[in-house]
Amino acid sequence: ILNVEQSPQSLHVQEGDSTNFTCSFPSSNFYALHWYRWETAKSPEALFVMTLNGDEKKKGRISATLNTKEGYSYLYIKGSQPEDSATYLCAFMDDYKLSFGAGTTVTVRA
Amino acid sequence: SAVISQKPSRDICQRGTSLTIQCQVDSQVTMMFWYRQQPGQSLTLIATANQGSEATYESGFVIDKFPISRPNLTFSTLTVSNMSPEDSSIYLCSVRDRTKNIQYFGAGTRLSVL
Repeated sequence: ILNVEQSPQSLHVQEGDSTNFTCSFPSSNFYALHWYRWETAKSPEALFVMTLNGDEKKKGRISATLNTKEGYSYLYIKGSQPEDSATYLCAFMDDYKLSFGAGTTVTVRA
Repeated sequence: SAVISQKPSRDICQRGTSLTIQCQVDSQVTMMFWYRQQPGQSLTLIATANQGSEATYESGFVIDKFPISRPNLTFSTLTVSNMSPEDSSIYLCSVRDRTKNIQYFGAGTRLSVL
């Protein structure tokens, strides 16, 4: 069982503020790191698939960085909006299997 | 992208009964995955279902408890057998686009066992 840790477990953000949270994962046998957004009663939606050390990816106001040597990834939300409220999951891929963290639940207050 | 229809979306079941969850994909896929998320826990892989062969179960999951069918390349079912309150979870099916290395999920089945 691979240990994928996400912190914090939850956070509350004021609308317009920026925030970030972390995912730590094993630094060996790395193949890819996935980020998903999961809104209540909906399917988890893929945000980023990151494979290279130093990778930075961006989708609108959301961006992510990757450090495979030390085994962590950050996800940033700039200028949070109520529609950003969701649980954000990271998942470590080695070979074919994804191992998920427990998620960071973000609540954006208007 | 793949569109996955999963049903039921939620159910409340009695202890000792069984529930079958269905997963329909809008395209043909070789591998389908079944996950479970218990309250406060991570998404955990139950098994990988390949068409035409037995499902491969992860450590801690057995076929007698979670039988899986995979009759064709677009459909799979997961049965949760002889349920207990510990089986109360969200169950999700998933497929992978190997060219993009992206995984797609159904909306999940929220199961409560009384």
